[in-house]
This record gives sequence, structure tokens and C-alpha cells, in this order.
Amino acid sequence: KAGVTQTPRYLIKTRGQQVTLSCSPISGHRSVSWYQQTPGQGLQFLFEYFSETQRNKGNFPGRFSGRQFSNSRSEMNVSTLELGDSALYLCASSLGSGAYNSPLHFGNGTRLTVT
Amino acid sequence: SQQGEEDPQALSIQEGENATMNCSYKTSINNLQWYRQNSGRGLVHLILIRSNEREKHSGRLRVTLDTSKKSSSLLITASRAADTASYFCATDGNQGGKLIFGQGTELSVKP
Repeated sequence: KAGVTQTPRYLIKTRGQQVTLSCSPISGHRSVSWYQQTPGQGLQFLFEYFSETQRNKGNFPGRFSGRQFSNSRSEMNVSTLELGDSALYLCASSLGSGAYNSPLHFGNGTRLTVT
Repeated sequence: SQQGEEDPQALSIQEGENATMNCSYKTSINNLQWYRQNSGRGLVHLILIRSNEREKHSGRLRVTLDTSKKSSSLLITASRAADTASYFCATDGNQGGKLIFGQGTELSVKP
């Protein structure tokens, strides 16, 4: 079974631009979660989608948004990029919604650099 | 705020030694999970322990959970150089389904 696929692997953008990251979950997984990882803040929860509905949201500004399609693939969008948005963005899929007894399966992330 | 906090932040040992990492959390939980991350890669799920369990084993891994102290430990026995990675604990912590990660322990196993 193929794992979680994130594209692109690396991305360099300029301040003020917007970016869209893509995540294909493991086949059969209906939940997709997104995390931002930085050396200073560690792993921060962005949001979770289950069956095309946002189930949970972290404490990020409205510039961060996401969506999930009927085939469970998910995208996240960051508008008006800031230098502080430079991070590794990780997507994870799971069978069930949320964290209840349902391990997350992570992709290898998209490394976003904002200059 | 982080739900789980790992201790120590960094650990360096020789191959063959045991490695113990600790995790403390703040609120009640349904389960606690441990993950490993190799540099620049995604996280890999290691083990999940439910709040009504006290100990769980998986290969060379042993996880304990003490809900009265709100703490967990991960023991890796007979460590290998390939165990070099960052280890994170994660809890749901009544966050409505969010899985919240600690800051992690960086483990270095020297051959």
C-alpha cells in the first residue's frame, strides 16, 4: 500500500506570495491532518479534515487554509507569505477522525522557504 | 501550548546501551502515542498506549504510562546506530481530537 505522498518536496517563495501544498493520503484513510514544524515552535497542529469537513483547527491566522476533496486528497494554502512561515509542513492520514486510538501516518513533508 | 514535554531534550549513548525518554503531559488523555522522526523526514508511529493500560511492548520498545503522574516513558533496549532520531510523544489531551506533540528528544546512538 502506498504511503502518504506530499508534493512538492521543496518550495521557495517570496514574501507576499501564496502557496498551495498537496497531500495524498493512504488509500482508505479518510482523515488528513496538517502540521507545521519549525526548530523554535516544534510541531504545531494546523487543521484536520475528515470526509471533506474541517473537524479541528489549530491556532493559526486565517492566512492558513485547507480543504479536502471527495477522494480524501487534501490541499493547504498559505496566502500573503511571511518569513516566519518557513517550515516543514507535514501531512498525516489516519483511518478515523482525530486522535482517538488512530495512529497518524505521515508523509515526508514539504520544506517551504520564504525569502 | 505543548501538551507533552519530553525529557531529556538530547541523549547520547553507545550502541548496545538502553535509552530512556520521558514524557509529561498536563490534562487527561484517551491515549498517548510515541513517534520517531529521522532528520528532515516525516514521523513514524511507534506505539500507542491507551489510558487504561500501564505498559506496552513492541520489539525492543517498552512504553509505560502513569496517568496519576501524567507521565510516560519510552525505553529502547540494546540500541543501534539506526535508532538515531528524534522521538516525540503525542496526546489527544481532550483537545477535541487534535493530536498534540511535545518538543521531542534527540537521541544519538554512537557505533
